[in-house]
Amino acid sequence: SAVISQKPSRDICQRGTSLTIQCQVDSQVTMMFWYRQQPGQSLTLIATANQGSEATYESGFVIDKFPISRPNLTFSTLTVSNMSPEDSSIYLCSVEPNTKRNEQFFGPGTRLTVL
Amino acid sequence: RKEVEQDPGPFNVPEGATVAFNCTYSNSASQSFFWYRQDCRKEPKLLMSVYSSGNEDGRFTAQLNRASQYISLLIRDSKLSDSATYLCVVNQGNFNKFYFGSGTKLNVKP
Repeated sequence: SAVISQKPSRDICQRGTSLTIQCQVDSQVTMMFWYRQQPGQSLTLIATANQGSEATYESGFVIDKFPISRPNLTFSTLTVSNMSPEDSSIYLCSVEPNTKRNEQFFGPGTRLTVL
Repeated sequence: RKEVEQDPGPFNVPEGATVAFNCTYSNSASQSFFWYRQDCRKEPKLLMSVYSSGNEDGRFTAQLNRASQYISLLIRDSKLSDSATYLCVVNQGNFNKFYFGSGTKLNVKP
């Protein structure tokens, strides 16, 4: 399985500010994803981070609010923009390893609290 | 209707008990099925894939019923360390999208 790290592991932010979350994988992967897990809820896919092109967003998520970068096959960032308390959540990146297609492995998550 | 539905529990069982979780999915075109385990304040981790013929991994057995669009997970001889939330996950394949159930919480008591 892939080893995935995320930074920061947690943050407390003021409303109206933005936070960029980084996701680093120890091997090159084609597919990277960003999820949100709100308190007591399951995971909701935000977008697929595509290397070299714009991310593919799910219904209810837009690029202006959650801009994503994917400069290479081992790294991606998710920015939560103009935050409000409703954005308080755990944000997780995941990858589908090229050698284990159709399975996903998750980073440890970033716990965000917006005041 | 949700793509994947699970009983949220909690299931409170004594050590050594056998416990079963069920999950239904709405899209008959779904192609791949998984059970993930999520410990409190941790990320989900793949427990096992679910194959049409059913599969077993130690104390864990997973079954798939495509006709009824139903997946199950059976845990035998429960251990305290099995306490976690178990997520049913379905991949529809066409766009490689994974849908997560809301999870079933298991508490194994001494």
